Amino acid sequence: NAGVTQTPKFQVLKTGQSMTLQCAQDMNHEYMSWYRQDPGMGLRLIHYSVGAGITDQGEVPNGYNVSRSTTEDFPLRLLSAAPSQTSVYFCASSYSTVTAKNIQYFGAGTRLSVL
Amino acid sequence: ILNVEQSPQSLHVQEGDSTNFTCSFPSSNFYALHWYRWETAKSPEALFVMTLNGDEKKKGRISATLNTKEGYSYLYIKGSQPEDSATYLCATSRGSQGNLIFGKGTKLSVKP
Repeated sequence: NAGVTQTPKFQVLKTGQSMTLQCAQDMNHEYMSWYRQDPGMGLRLIHYSVGAGITDQGEVPNGYNVSRSTTEDFPLRLLSAAPSQTSVYFCASSYSTVTAKNIQYFGAGTRLSVL
Repeated sequence: ILNVEQSPQSLHVQEGDSTNFTCSFPSSNFYALHWYRWETAKSPEALFVMTLNGDEKKKGRISATLNTKEGYSYLYIKGSQPEDSATYLCATSRGSQGNLIFGKGTKLSVKP
């Protein structure tokens, strides 16, 4: 049972480079989201999606793009990496868009360093 | 932005001690309160979701209570074990369709 799969686990980028963090879930969940975790901060929502073709901004969306062409996949794109984007990124999904009651299933995380 | 506060920030206990920590949240427009357990180098895993005032949930030695009128939840661990060492996160949302807002977590270290 794969659950939520994130790739890569680790990545080092130079300032200005672009890359895509991949996230896939095999639970047929409607809701998917990306968070970043920084020292001394809680998980902060970057972008989320309530279904294929529908995405919206979270608390800290600047510098990131997302798309949701299928139910399974929700990639996060860094267009021009900056040192401020050094963080641990988590993808999560839940069964329903009634997010408040439905538990989130998290991927293993991607640790990104931008030099 | 909905403010979710957790205290203490960190906690060090001896094996066998019982412990508890707090999650505070705005009581207006409350819908649900989540607790997650996050071990180092792993992903957060859900412990409980609570929705009703007075709710109590239990999983093994871990239990949680909810007071929606005053806006707090307690997480209790009875007879802490080293494997309980983790960061415990709580989260809530503004309304049923709102995204979860997480607190900063309480980092628990249990020494053998």
